Amino acid sequence: QQQVKQSPQSLIVQKGGIPIINCAYENTAFDYFPWYQQFPGKGPALLIAIRPDVSEKKEGRFTISFNKSAKQFSLHIMDSQPGDSATYFCAATNTGNQFYFGTGTSLTVIP
Amino acid sequence: GAVVSQHPSRVICKSGTSVKIECRSLDFQATTMFWYRQFPKQSLMLMATSNEGSKATYEQGVEKDKFLINHASLTLSTLTVTSAHPEDSSFYICSATDRGHTGELFFGEGSRLTVL
Repeated sequence: QQQVKQSPQSLIVQKGGIPIINCAYENTAFDYFPWYQQFPGKGPALLIAIRPDVSEKKEGRFTISFNKSAKQFSLHIMDSQPGDSATYFCAATNTGNQFYFGTGTSLTVIP
Repeated sequence: GAVVSQHPSRVICKSGTSVKIECRSLDFQATTMFWYRQFPKQSLMLMATSNEGSKATYEQGVEKDKFLINHASLTLSTLTVTSAHPEDSSFYICSATDRGHTGELFFGEGSRLTVL
């Protein structure tokens, strides 16, 4: 059973656009929701994370929107750049336990 | 953020040999480390959870005698692929959680294993 569902599988945007990646979860015990960025041949790197006590978190051009009642969270990348082209994974965990990952979104930002 | 070092980044070996991959947490104590396998353009597949000083917990379908995991200290876990075969060729990634502090998960750089 997929604990975290991620969409879309791939995304292509023009430079300056705002790609949005969505994730949904079922387990209400999850209390930590990170996003990871992975470049080819590299391990994932923590990009930004949110806890359910807030509905939005911004770090630079990256924003997480969190909807606790809908059990959904999304990543928005403002003013996207070609260097943002990567695969993005959402995840969820009940702190201290196993992390559950989405299936990944391959983002391509066209110059 | 915290640093997890994984070595080697690339390894090529002959079929039938064993390969060891090391994962170190450089600036925090990792009570738990996770080992993942990733196929091209796919998500992370959890292989096992490794707790310091105890036996690793393997996910269903992962052969514990094939993929030996040792977590001898709070900063080091190793994955040994025994009697490797071409189908074991993959990208292996370790991660560690700073459970005692933030609960965040940090990944190593990954190890590309190619078995000839």
